[in-house]
Amino acid sequence: EPEVTQTPSHQVTQMGQEVILRCVPISNHLYFYWYRQILGQKVEFLVSFYNNEISEKSEIFDDQFSVERPDGSNFTLKIRSTKLEDSAMYFCASSVARGSGGGDSGRLSSYNEQFFGPGTRLTVL
Amino acid sequence: AQKITQTQPGMFVQEKEAVTLDCTYDTSDPSYGLFWYKQPSSGEMIFLIYQGSYDQQNATEGRYSLNFQKARKSANLVISASQLGDSAMYFCAMRERYNTGNQFYFGTGTSLTVIP
Repeated sequence: EPEVTQTPSHQVTQMGQEVILRCVPISNHLYFYWYRQILGQKVEFLVSFYNNEISEKSEIFDDQFSVERPDGSNFTLKIRSTKLEDSAMYFCASSVARGSGGGDSGRLSSYNEQFFGPGTRLTVL
Repeated sequence: AQKITQTQPGMFVQEKEAVTLDCTYDTSDPSYGLFWYKQPSSGEMIFLIYQGSYDQQNATEGRYSLNFQKARKSANLVISASQLGDSAMYFCAMRERYNTGNQFYFGTGTSLTVIP
């Protein structure tokens, strides 16, 4: 069964350093996402990406963050100058469609399910 | 206002018993989807079940069922015949069709412990 993969599984970095988190979405998926989960807290949306550009982003996704699809398979999240509060689990997700898959254009369906990767645990020291 | 509210930070259930995990949501979008994910201690997010706002029947997937009460804006997850492997965090999530596009809103989660 196809799955989203993420590397590395755990990244430790010094405050102020740049990190790049890598994701390989499911091959026929068109929409890509990054979420983060600070330890013990809920999962928070960061950004969605479609057709080589950001389609939505949250307030968390400030100028320190950027996303890129450098080739046909990888999807990356870059944090330019990490802060202590960036320590979290970062999840990549992908979906086939945005919100109108599966027939009736007014309805969401499980066709729009987002498949999550296993996460990268980022620790900023 | 919170889009997704999970009021049970922790739940315990005896093995082989059923358990209900609560989830309420807030949206003005006429079309939305509700999802439940399981997060074991290893950290990955595992999709369990989906309910669309237009679905007439409650969703079921094996031992998981979703008690969808649209008027009350609740989407509780019912796990029947609990197993030790069900011990994990459970997150309720919602996606709106029109209001906010594609992102998922997650609740704060419920930690379920299955007691042998």
